[in-house]
Amino acid sequence: KQEVTQIPAALSVPEGENLVLNCSFTDSAIYNLQWFRQDPGKGLTSLLLIQSSQREQTSGRLNASLDKSSGRSTLYIAASQPGDSATYLCAVKQGTSGTYKYIFGTGTRLKVLA
Amino acid sequence: EAGVTQFPSHSVIEKGQTVTLRCDPISGHDNLYWYRRVMGKEIKFLLHFVKESKQDESGMPNNRFLAERTGGTYSTLKVQPAELEDSGVYFCASSQRGPGLTNEKLFFGSGTQLSVL
Repeated sequence: KQEVTQIPAALSVPEGENLVLNCSFTDSAIYNLQWFRQDPGKGLTSLLLIQSSQREQTSGRLNASLDKSSGRSTLYIAASQPGDSATYLCAVKQGTSGTYKYIFGTGTRLKVLA
Repeated sequence: EAGVTQFPSHSVIEKGQTVTLRCDPISGHDNLYWYRRVMGKEIKFLLHFVKESKQDESGMPNNRFLAERTGGTYSTLKVQPAELEDSGVYFCASSQRGPGLTNEKLFFGSGTQLSVL
């Protein structure tokens, strides 16, 4: 059974710092891994999607890496800003025989202090 | 382009009552998913529609939950009768690309916060 773990559960950093969020998964048979952001009372916004054949994806100040064999992904945020404060979730996509689902981690609550 | 929309945003009901949640996916998205987040726990899969067909409902907690997707457009999730442990945030997501593809990207709605008292 796939288990997705995110460490740390919460993180508070001063503005301008570079930071790394971690995601680990127990079963490497995945189709892709997505990083999401959730603001309070809002839905999830997809930040980056890394397909199983890829090693990393970049979007602006965000960079996500994927090491399938070791079951790990990291989300790197450069020069953090107060507007980055949110909960960050990773999810892996699994499935066989026409049924597919995303398995989510519990998230990392990030607070960037001005 | 409108995103995934969910109604209502909040619902407070008493134990034993019935509640129906609605999700309107992005137009043209064949895949529609329901997920739920119970307080303090991770977001968990409930079920997956491809157009109007239930592709996978292995995550549905029990037979008090009934999901439908009329004509492959919007979807409803009915809880009848509601119990205290059904409280949580119910998310809907949709995607355009085939679910078996590695580049399937999910678009989520804002969720419905359900409180059962």
